[in-house]
Amino acid sequence: DAGVTQSPTHLIKTRGQHVTLRCSPISGHKSVSWYQQVLGQGPQFIFQYYEKEERGRGNFPDRFSARQFPNYSSELNVNALLLGDSALYLCASSFRALPGTGKNEKLFFGSGTQLSVL
Amino acid sequence: GQSLEQPSEVTAVEGAIVQINCTYQTSGFYGLSWYQQHDGGAPTFLSYNALDGLEETGRFSSFLSRSDSYGYLLLQELQMKDSASYFCASSIKAAGNKLTFGGGTRVLVKP
Repeated sequence: DAGVTQSPTHLIKTRGQHVTLRCSPISGHKSVSWYQQVLGQGPQFIFQYYEKEERGRGNFPDRFSARQFPNYSSELNVNALLLGDSALYLCASSFRALPGTGKNEKLFFGSGTQLSVL
Repeated sequence: GQSLEQPSEVTAVEGAIVQINCTYQTSGFYGLSWYQQHDGGAPTFLSYNALDGLEETGRFSSFLSRSDSYGYLLLQELQMKDSASYFCASSIKAAGNKLTFGGGTRVLVKP
């Protein structure tokens, strides 16, 4: 079975541009979470979607938005890119909506999209 | 809010034992998870503790003490492939549907 897949793997943008990152969860998983990971730090929560509804939002500006499609895949959009948006963007899927609340509520991560903003 | 503190780096030799501590400041805490991430790779789930005590999974064990808001990951019989970053993570009821990660501990295994 395929794991979580993300595209593209690498992306270079310039300040002010817009970017769309894509994620396909593990088959049967209905929850998708997005995380930003700056080099040398832990992943920071951006959004969680479950059954196409936003269930959680982290402390990120409104330039960040996301959505989940009927097939449970997801997009993360970032507008007006800043240099500080350069990071690894990780998508994670889980079967249910409350990751970290039980042994079976673990997150399965994709390998991420490395975004560089110049 | 939520915060999880862990050491930034640990170095050990093959065959040794390493303990990575994690302290957290939460209320309404569900449990403590541990993830491993190799350079350039995706974080992968290692273990979860909901109750006080030790959970063992092969060479890796994880411990939780709710009264002390403290947990640790124990890596035994270290192998070169264990060189990676290790993150503790937790969810709390007040924070909704997010898993919050610590800053990570980079483990370097030397021959």
